Amino acid sequence: KAGVTQTPRYLIKTRGQQVTLSCSPISGHRSVSWYQQTPGQGLQFLFEYFSETQRNKGNFPGRFSGRQFSNSRSEMNVSTLELGDSALYLCASSYTSGPTYQETQYFGPGTRLLVL
Amino acid sequence: AQSVTQLGSHVSVSEGALVLLRCNYSSSVPPYLFWYVQYPNQGLQLLLKYTTGATLVKGINGFEAEFKKSETSFHLTKPSAHMSDAAEYFCAVILAGGTSYGKLTFGQGTILTVHP
Repeated sequence: KAGVTQTPRYLIKTRGQQVTLSCSPISGHRSVSWYQQTPGQGLQFLFEYFSETQRNKGNFPGRFSGRQFSNSRSEMNVSTLELGDSALYLCASSYTSGPTYQETQYFGPGTRLLVL
Repeated sequence: AQSVTQLGSHVSVSEGALVLLRCNYSSSVPPYLFWYVQYPNQGLQLLLKYTTGATLVKGINGFEAEFKKSETSFHLTKPSAHMSDAAEYFCAVILAGGTSYGKLTFGQGTILTVHP
């Protein structure tokens, strides 16, 4: 099976712009989680989608949003970019059937965003 | 709320020496515990996980970890370090429960250096 793919891998934007990142989960996986990784804050949970519904959200401002499509692919959007949004954005997919949290999350390679 | 503490942001060992990376968690309900490894410019790769059952968990690349409820710990060990083990290691926890959908909480990470 192909792993989790993320596009683009690298991105440079300027302050005030918006950006959309894409994540394709492992085939058959229906849950997609997004994380932000920075040297200062480490790995922080952004949100999780399952069957096109956001089930959980981390403590990020409303500029960060996401969605999931019927084929389980997910996008996240950051509007009005700030310098502090520079980070590695990771998505992870898992099968997750029902209320089980034992499912392993499989991570993509990430999208490295630089905001100038 | 759950939290994860990794003791030691940097650990240095000689090739062939024991690797011990420490992880303690705080949680009011039984957690599921994971160790991930991240190589430079890559995503996270699962090393091992504890959900239920045997408290000594074996993972890939010769790593293992023991869940000790009384000590709220989940330390990662490997008997003999290889140069290829040099990477950053993350301990993570997810709680069983309706508010934890897809949300891994990570420790700050431990960078492992292996000297020849």
